[in-house]
Amino acid sequence: AQKVTQAQTEISVVEKEDVTLDCVYETRDTTYYLFWYKQPPSGELVFLIRRNSFDEQNEISGRYSWNFQKSTSSFNFTITASQVVDSAVYFCARLTSGTYKYIFGTGTRLKVLA
Amino acid sequence: DVKVTQSSRYLVKRTGEKVFLECVQDMDHENMFWYRQDPGLGLRLIYFSYDVKMKEKGDIPEGYSVSREKKERFSLILESASTNQTSMYLCASSPTPSGGTNIQYFGAGTRLSVL
Repeated sequence: AQKVTQAQTEISVVEKEDVTLDCVYETRDTTYYLFWYKQPPSGELVFLIRRNSFDEQNEISGRYSWNFQKSTSSFNFTITASQVVDSAVYFCARLTSGTYKYIFGTGTRLKVLA
Repeated sequence: DVKVTQSSRYLVKRTGEKVFLECVQDMDHENMFWYRQDPGLGLRLIYFSYDVKMKEKGDIPEGYSVSREKKERFSLILESASTNQTSMYLCASSPTPSGGTNIQYFGAGTRLSVL
């Protein structure tokens, strides 16, 4: 199976620290999409970002940034100056172009301590 | 905003009961999905539907069935609930792919306990 691996099960940081969540994926496809979702304690997964396989440009959105590297099949997510509200489970996922089936990682639980 | 609503946040059922989990979306999305979320296993796809009355099995369809009679509603059915179906169930919807760029929108989940 073409897996998505989030090796970090749980991370704890102190507020204002920077934290990076790792995501490594497997694929034989040439065209695919990568996603990050956030699941706060309320339970609902919230879409954060989508990247397609042809666009390796890194992206910054406020305190969030994403580093996509095809050479290492990684799509890592960094939160700068973390806040307590960032505490959640974060999922990385991959989707082959033209299909419906997401492959999700097992998630990383981030705890930001005040 | 897209709204995906799951009818119950928490359910407690007995082994052998027939259980219905309901999901409604208000954005006219063609595609709807049911996932199961378990610690250490992430999200696993049970079934999805790409049109009314159309369905396809996901990775773990055994013990489940689905119904989609109307575009906005997708039901997950446990014909005879078992304790190993105790889990968090998440519903999602998405529009028809445009270049495959499906963003899925999720409900808040139903935490089902089967005793």
